[in-house]
Amino acid sequence: ELKVEQNPLFLSMQEGKNYTIYCNYSTTSDRLYWYRQDPGKSLESLFVLLSNGAVKQEGRLMASLDTKARLSTLHITAAVHDLSATYFCAVDMSNRDDKIIFGKGTRLHILP
Amino acid sequence: EPEVTQTPSHQVTQMGQEVILRCVPISNHLYFYWYRQILGQKVEFLVSFYNNEISEKSEIFDDQFSVERPDGSNFTLKIRSTKLEDSAMYFCASSPGQNEKLFFGSGTQLSVL
Repeated sequence: ELKVEQNPLFLSMQEGKNYTIYCNYSTTSDRLYWYRQDPGKSLESLFVLLSNGAVKQEGRLMASLDTKARLSTLHITAAVHDLSATYFCAVDMSNRDDKIIFGKGTRLHILP
Repeated sequence: EPEVTQTPSHQVTQMGQEVILRCVPISNHLYFYWYRQILGQKVEFLVSFYNNEISEKSEIFDDQFSVERPDGSNFTLKIRSTKLEDSAMYFCASSPGQNEKLFFGSGTQLSVL
């Protein structure tokens, strides 16, 4: 059974600080996605990572994928309040995009 | 920008009743999905649909659930006999192809009483 584990599940941090969210998964996959969800809202795609060593950056967020370690990271640089949200990683179990399984999410709260 | 639309935004039903949740995916997309999320918690995979048939389904997607794409634009999720534990936010998503991100609708909040 595919397991997708994120940690931490909750993170409270000060503006201006750096932090990393980790996503481990239990089966071979080279497709991993990061999504953001604001409270009461839908999910918004952030990154699509499709190969070992893939790194993508947008603004203060950078995501990477290590398929050998079955690990992805989402790094936040100099956090700002607007980044407060829940961040989900999702892994494609089938390698055909037929079964994309989400982690439990990391609720990020950035204090001004 | 094109978006996935879902109706209704809220649905209240009695236990044992049938409900149909409706979705209009983005028009040139090929992959369609239903997920659900209970009280802002984990996003749970229900089913994927490609080439007019179910590609994958989870253990949650039992005989009480079915999906249809009746007319080439709508994508529906039917729950035949709702249970209390079916109460959740149901998200529809679509994708233009493999290796592409999923576009999510705004969800239907289903409350089973």
